Amino acid sequence: DAEITQSPRHKITETGRQVTLACHQTWNHNNMFWYRQDLGHGLRLIHYSYGVHDTNKGEVSDGYSVSRSNTEDLPLTLESAASSQTSVYFCASSDSNRGAYEQYFGPGTRLTVT
Amino acid sequence: KNEVEQSPQNLTAQEGEFITINCSYSVGISALHWLQQHPGGGIVSLFMLSSGKKKHGRLIATINIQEKHSSLHITASHPRDSAVYICAVRRGTDKLIFGTGTRLQVFP
Repeated sequence: DAEITQSPRHKITETGRQVTLACHQTWNHNNMFWYRQDLGHGLRLIHYSYGVHDTNKGEVSDGYSVSRSNTEDLPLTLESAASSQTSVYFCASSDSNRGAYEQYFGPGTRLTVT
Repeated sequence: KNEVEQSPQNLTAQEGEFITINCSYSVGISALHWLQQHPGGGIVSLFMLSSGKKKHGRLIATINIQEKHSSLHITASHPRDSAVYICAVRRGTDKLIFGTGTRLQVFP
């Protein structure tokens, strides 16, 4: 079955380290998104991509980067992790080529920066 | 002020009760989504609607575009309905703006 996966599911890292969170989808969706979820806030968009080699900044992109070298993967990199980046991160994908805008979410990655 | 506001933030109910969760938004939208987040964290899409009403099992979603308001109803609630319900609006083609969610607990 097609799916969207994230790894790792849990990560503890130290301030200043570079961290990469993986997102992989097998639906062949053109659109992929990274969100963070924090108490008191709704899901907030970090970065998104509408296709291979396309990346765009969301509302909370500072300190994060993404690259899209193929359709299936959109890794999220924290260049120098900060305690403010402790959060739960969700990846999502959708296929707007068929006019189907429903987003499918991965299981999430809980990141703790100490 | 958030562009998407949900009420109530928390809701408790007895099994069998009729439940309503409200969502108001302040921007122009192309569609509105209702999502469910289970205690384990997974997020699934329940409805996507741009007008009128949709029904799936015991869940009903309505939207009033003129009033910029949507409601999610659960009939004959059950403990397995306990989850966070999230309203999100879509502007343009694909980006979503999310509300902060309504945490529902249904007790037997």
